[in-house]
Amino acid sequence: AQSVTQPDIHITVSEGASLELRCNYSYGATPYLFWYVQSPGQGLQLLLKYFSGDTLVQGIKGFEAEFKRSQSSFNLRKPSVHWSDAAEYFCAVGVWSGTASKLTFGTGTRLQVTL
Amino acid sequence: DGGITQSPKYLFRKEGQNVTLSCEQNLNHDAMYWYRQDPGQGLRLIYYSQIVNDFQKGDIAEGYSVSREKKESFPLTVTSAQKNPTAFYLCASSMNSGANVLTFGAGSRLTVL
Repeated sequence: AQSVTQPDIHITVSEGASLELRCNYSYGATPYLFWYVQSPGQGLQLLLKYFSGDTLVQGIKGFEAEFKRSQSSFNLRKPSVHWSDAAEYFCAVGVWSGTASKLTFGTGTRLQVTL
Repeated sequence: DGGITQSPKYLFRKEGQNVTLSCEQNLNHDAMYWYRQDPGQGLRLIYYSQIVNDFQKGDIAEGYSVSREKKESFPLTVTSAQKNPTAFYLCASSMNSGANVLTFGAGSRLTVL
């Protein structure tokens, strides 16, 4: 079975600083990988996804992520963080079973942005 | 605009009572899902459905039940058999044609008093 590890429970960065959120996955084949963001009390919004092809993917709000097969990683980055980026971020690995897309989520990383 | 509507946003219930959470989508998606979210545990899959009148258990189905009588609707019942029902519940949907993105609703927070 697939699994996802987000080793950082909580990260604090200053506004304008760069950001990297770590994600490691375990899956026997090439996975489908996602990053979602969640504001308090809200649902999840897709930031970006990797299915195949270019290993550097661009998403919304200036985020990007790089798939590294050799490290089983899919880290999320942003060059300059804005105060509005404070939220919880979830990495997920998707498995297409032939009938449905089943996602396995990491435990999340809460981002705090200081002014 | 298309989307997923979950209701109610907040729900309180006494121990021993069943409660049903509503999930409606107008995205014309085939598949629908229910996830449970607890602090520090991420999201865990409860049930999912690929087509009308069919659904499958996820990783933590015990104490829950679902139905899929219409393509647009996928209600979740939290039964009295669920030992720790207080949580945030998220409904999602996707197309049924490959590894597709899940679209999520805004969630329902259930508190058992």
